Amino acid sequence: DGGITQSPKYLFRKEGQNVTLSCEQNLNHDAMYWYRQDPGQGLRLIYYSQIVNDFQKGDIAEGYSVSREKKESFPLTVTSAQKNPTAFYLCASTKGDYGYTFGSGTRLTVV
Amino acid sequence: EDQVTQSPEALRLQEGESSSLNCSYTVSGLRGLFWYRQDPGKGPEFLFTLYSAGEEKEKERLKATLTKKESFLHITAPKPEDSATYLCAVRSGGGADGLTFGKGTHLIIQP
Repeated sequence: DGGITQSPKYLFRKEGQNVTLSCEQNLNHDAMYWYRQDPGQGLRLIYYSQIVNDFQKGDIAEGYSVSREKKESFPLTVTSAQKNPTAFYLCASTKGDYGYTFGSGTRLTVV
Repeated sequence: EDQVTQSPEALRLQEGESSSLNCSYTVSGLRGLFWYRQDPGKGPEFLFTLYSAGEEKEKERLKATLTKKESFLHITAPKPEDSATYLCAVRSGGGADGLTFGKGTHLIIQP
């Protein structure tokens, strides 16, 4: 079955450490997105990519970086510059104006 | 700037007690209004996309409607398994790509 796979499900980061969250899709979708979800807040857009080798900043891109070397993959790196990285991270993809498909999420905690 | 406001924040119903969730929005050129269901610790699950005022869509006990300013998610004779957070989002024709989300309505259906 087609879908989006996020890994790992849980991730722990030490202060000053960079970590990378994986997102892979086999839906043949062109566009991919990263969102952050905090308790009591709506999902907020971090980065998005509409085609391979191209991506744009969303509303809260500071402290994050991405790459899009393959259509199927859109990894997110949380850098040490992100001062409050503890959150639930969601990856999504879409083709055209249809509904976005979301992955199952990665919960990142700073220890 | 696109905005989405959902009400109420939380709603507790008895099994079989029908109700409606509200999603008010302002957007520059609506490309779609989306409803999702999210269970704790999981990614959002797609329910409906509405594209123009007057459009309605149904799925089991759920019915979504759209006007030029708001959308309603009607829940008829809900069951305990309908308990979840329901998210509303819009995609606009201007500015950055991606969905703008409301904060969600946390729905609890008591047996």
